[in-house]
Amino acid sequence: EAGVVQSPRYKIIEKKQPVAFWCNPISGHNTLYWYRQNLGQGPELLIRYENEEAVDDSQLPKDRFSAERLKGVDSTLKIQPAELGDSAVYLCASSLDPSNNEQFFGPGTRLTVL
Amino acid sequence: KQEVTQIPAALSVPEGENLVLNCSFTDSAIYNLQWFRQDPGKGLTSLLLIQSSQREQTSGRLNASLDKSSGRSTLYIAASQPGDSATYLCAVSLYNFNKFYFGSGTKLNVKP
Repeated sequence: EAGVVQSPRYKIIEKKQPVAFWCNPISGHNTLYWYRQNLGQGPELLIRYENEEAVDDSQLPKDRFSAERLKGVDSTLKIQPAELGDSAVYLCASSLDPSNNEQFFGPGTRLTVL
Repeated sequence: KQEVTQIPAALSVPEGENLVLNCSFTDSAIYNLQWFRQDPGKGLTSLLLIQSSQREQTSGRLNASLDKSSGRSTLYIAASQPGDSATYLCAVSLYNFNKFYFGSGTKLNVKP
């Protein structure tokens, strides 16, 4: 069984440029999470989807960040425009459903904003 | 808001030693707790998941315990090996929220 797939693995951009990250969760997993992990810290939730619905986006900086999961499968996280402080690892995770919420993570995308 | 703390931040032990990693949390109304391993430059690998009704879970040389009343979980690693070197993170989810709160992790180095 394939795990959570993310692309790209690395991205270097200049500040004020847009950037997008893509995630394909484990097949059959209805819940999808986007996290941001700063160096030396644990992941912090940005947004959680149950199928197509964003049920928790309270930590998403909505002035510059957006996300979508149109068909309830793969998802895209976008930053526009990027700032220096956005440099971090962006992790995607999925779980089966709210009652069976063991999380499985992708390899992450390391973003560097210059 | 749930606060999750992991102490120590770093730990170095000789190969073969048994060791314990600690995780504490402030809100005891948890749904479950998950321990992860993270290798440098990689994503998180799930090690063990303990439901709130359970006291411990075991997988190979790993044993995780949960004491909700005191707000603590421990991850016991038996007969440590250099391949166990990684950062270990715990994450707690609360009832009705399905949201995980992570600690900052313990960076483990097992010396040959």
